[in-house]
Amino acid sequence: EAGVAQSPRYKIIEKRQSVAFWCNPISGHATLYWYQQILGQGPKLLIQFQNNGVVDDSQLPKDRFSAERLKGVDSTLKIQPAKLEDSAVYLCASSTQAGGRGTQYFGPGTRLTVL
Amino acid sequence: AQSVTQLGSHVSVSEGALVLLRCNYSSSVPPYLFWYVQYPNQGLQLLLKYTTGATLVKGINGFEAEFKKSETSFHLTKPSAHMSDAAEYFCAVSDRGSARQLTFGSGTQLTVLP
Repeated sequence: EAGVAQSPRYKIIEKRQSVAFWCNPISGHATLYWYQQILGQGPKLLIQFQNNGVVDDSQLPKDRFSAERLKGVDSTLKIQPAKLEDSAVYLCASSTQAGGRGTQYFGPGTRLTVL
Repeated sequence: AQSVTQLGSHVSVSEGALVLLRCNYSSSVPPYLFWYVQYPNQGLQLLLKYTTGATLVKGINGFEAEFKKSETSFHLTKPSAHMSDAAEYFCAVSDRGSARQLTFGSGTQLTVLP
């Protein structure tokens, strides 16, 4: 079974530029998550989708971050404009169920460096 | 809101020694509990989880964890460390009965010395 795919793996941009990350979840997984992992910290949830609807985006900085999941499969996370503090690894995860007991499967992440 | 505390951001053990990584949660209602491992430049991989039933949970790679309600703890152990166990380990919790997300601890970096 193919895992969660993410691209690009690495990205370096200047502050105030925009950037987009792509995620392809495991086939059949209805729930998709985007996490931000700052160096030395645990992942923090940014947004959770159930199919193509948003379940939780309470920690998404909506003035600069946006995400969509068209057709309930692939998802894109965008940052515009980027700030220095956005430097982090952005992880995508998917699961078969939205409930707390479900196992989340993580992709390898995209490491973003903002200069 | 849920919080997770992992005592010790760095733990070093000798190869063959016992591994003990500590995790405490804050909720008065026992949540679902998870341990994930992260190898360099990779995503997180589930080691084990506790949802209900037996409080001693066995996971992959010889790891196990015991849920102790009275201590609000879910410590991770392995009897004998291997060099390949060197990685970062995250404890996470999720509230029961909802679509609530995982809350992660800050992680423990495990170093295995030859």
